Amino acid sequence: GNSVTQMEGPVTLSEEAFLTINCTYTATGYPSLFWYVQYPGEGLQLLLKATKADDKGSNKGFEATYRKETTSFHLEKGSVQVSDSAVYFCALSGPGGSYIPTFGRGTSLIVHP
Amino acid sequence: DTGVSQNPRHKITKRGQNVTFRCDPISEHNRLYWYRQTLGQGPEFLTYFQNEAQLEKSRLLSDRFSAERPKGSFSTLEIQRTEQGDSAMYLCASSLADRVDTFGSGTRLTVV
Repeated sequence: GNSVTQMEGPVTLSEEAFLTINCTYTATGYPSLFWYVQYPGEGLQLLLKATKADDKGSNKGFEATYRKETTSFHLEKGSVQVSDSAVYFCALSGPGGSYIPTFGRGTSLIVHP
Repeated sequence: DTGVSQNPRHKITKRGQNVTFRCDPISEHNRLYWYRQTLGQGPEFLTYFQNEAQLEKSRLLSDRFSAERPKGSFSTLEIQRTEQGDSAMYLCASSLADRVDTFGSGTRLTVV
């Protein structure tokens, strides 16, 4: 079945540092890939997505590229801010018409001033 | 519209009692999803509605769990004869298109 593996957290960075959160997946065919963010006390929000190989999803300075050859969808940001502190979830859905995402365990990001 | 609304935010119940949670999706969204999230884990899919029809149920949804969406708007999730292992955050999400992009803040259930 489909599965998602994320790097364990917490990831602790200073403000303006470069961020990478690794995500790899297992799926048959070509799933859609997503990153969600959960700020403290709030629900999950879709951050970005990519639906086919080599697509790059981007939003709010975050980027992730769909790499079919390495089955990866790593999340990156060039310069993090304190307000980026949250839990980040990698997820996939499909292929084959099921739009229901399967989530990874989440990676906590803590950004210090 | 204020997004996906879930009530109550917190529920503490004694083992063996029944509990019911409510989810009000974004009004024009025809798809509604229930997930469960335990500490340190990602959300796990429970069930999915398109309008009032329950189209998919996870094997996680034992016979003590039932979900309804009678008029294709709000949904309820009931857990009968609660067990300590049911303690978790129960998340609802809704969508219009083929992606799940809007979650509620969840209902945190504690079974004592």
